Order: sequence, then structure tokens, then C-alpha cells
Amino acid sequence: EDQVTQSPEALRLQEGESSSLNCSYTVSGLRGLFWYRQDPGKGPEFLFTLYSAGEEKEKERLKATLTKKESFLHITAPKPEDSATYLCAVQASPLQGGSEKLVFGKGTKLTVNP
Amino acid sequence: GAVVSQHPSRVICKSGTSVKIECRSLDFQATTMFWYRQFPKQSLMLMATSNEGSKATYEQGVEKDKFLINHASLTLSTLTVTSAHPEDSSFYICRAGGVARYGYTFGSGTRLTVV
Repeated sequence: EDQVTQSPEALRLQEGESSSLNCSYTVSGLRGLFWYRQDPGKGPEFLFTLYSAGEEKEKERLKATLTKKESFLHITAPKPEDSATYLCAVQASPLQGGSEKLVFGKGTKLTVNP
Repeated sequence: GAVVSQHPSRVICKSGTSVKIECRSLDFQATTMFWYRQFPKQSLMLMATSNEGSKATYEQGVEKDKFLINHASLTLSTLTVTSAHPEDSSFYICRAGGVARYGYTFGSGTRLTVV
């Protein structure tokens, strides 16, 4: 069974204090790993898709990396507006019987204090 | 591009009534729509998958007769919560399939409160 575990559940940072969020996964065959940002009362907003180990993607203060077992979302010099819940999801490869279904973790709630 | 419009954003209904939630793909054709529900501090739980012109596929434990899904066109999918009860109160979100380069776009969500 495909599983996604995110840690920590919650993270408080001071503005400018860099840190990383973790997403550990088990999947029969990885087609893609997705990172989303979710603000309270809103649907998830797409950030990145990673497809293979060693791949990295960046967007402003965020950088996502991928290994065969986990992904990290690195936040450099965060600002209060980066406060949100960050969700990780995996999609299994169609060769392994997967479809477009995504399996989500519970998320990491990030709070950045000014 | 790849915008999914979800309505309503919030709805309060009385126990026993039905509520319809709509998801429209505005600038692309969504052949597949996924419906999720999310409880506080929990991950998104897939309820069902709808494909245009065919019956929806429900996840184990989801009542088909309670959560009616219709995907009559390539731009509109609806979820109807029938005979709603307070335990159905949750955040419902749709996600369009088939647009991988946009990371599978989500709707903005519907907060349902049953009183």
C-alpha cells in the first residue's frame, strides 16, 4: 500500500530562519511526487512535481529535492507570508498498476513569525 | 491556465436536506475529476473518481447513494450530498485529472456545515 508520512506536523520559525520539511514515502513505483501549499479554507496550490531521485526544483524561497525514499522542501529565509500547510503527495507509476490517483500526507503546518 | 472553479465556497444546510457542489474546468477539458474530503489536521481523503460520460468510481467505505457524483460534460462535475447529517460536515475539494503539467489542479474547496 502506498503511504506518505510528513514531518514535523507543525513547525514554527522566526522570519529569516531557514529549515526543511520532510516527506517520506513508500510506493510500488513512483511516477511523481507533488508538493502543494494549502492556506486555511482554500484548496491546495501546486508548487512542484519531482519525477526521479536526484531531481531538484526551486521557486523563490522554496527548493524541493527527491531521493528514492523521501523528499525535502527547503525553505530559505522564510517570510510570514510563507505560513501555510505544506502537503506532499505521491502518484504510482502506471506500470505498477497506478493511475492518476494521488496519496497525500497529513501535511506540515508552517508558521513564520515576524 | 488550468483553473478549476468550485462553488459554493461555503454552505450551511439543515439535517436531511441535500447540497450540490459544482466544479468547472474553465480553460481546459477535464476528462477526470477527483473528489476529496478533508477533516481538520487530516490528509485529503479520496472519495470518488468521476469520468465524463460514465459512472463514478467510489473508494471503499464511501456511500454511493449518499454522495452522488455526476460528470455530464468535460467541463462540469458535481457532487451532491444527499440527506446530509452533521457528521457530513467537512471540507470538500475537487481535483481535475489529465493536466499533468499543472500538477493536477484543485478547486478552491467547499466548507459544508450541516446543522
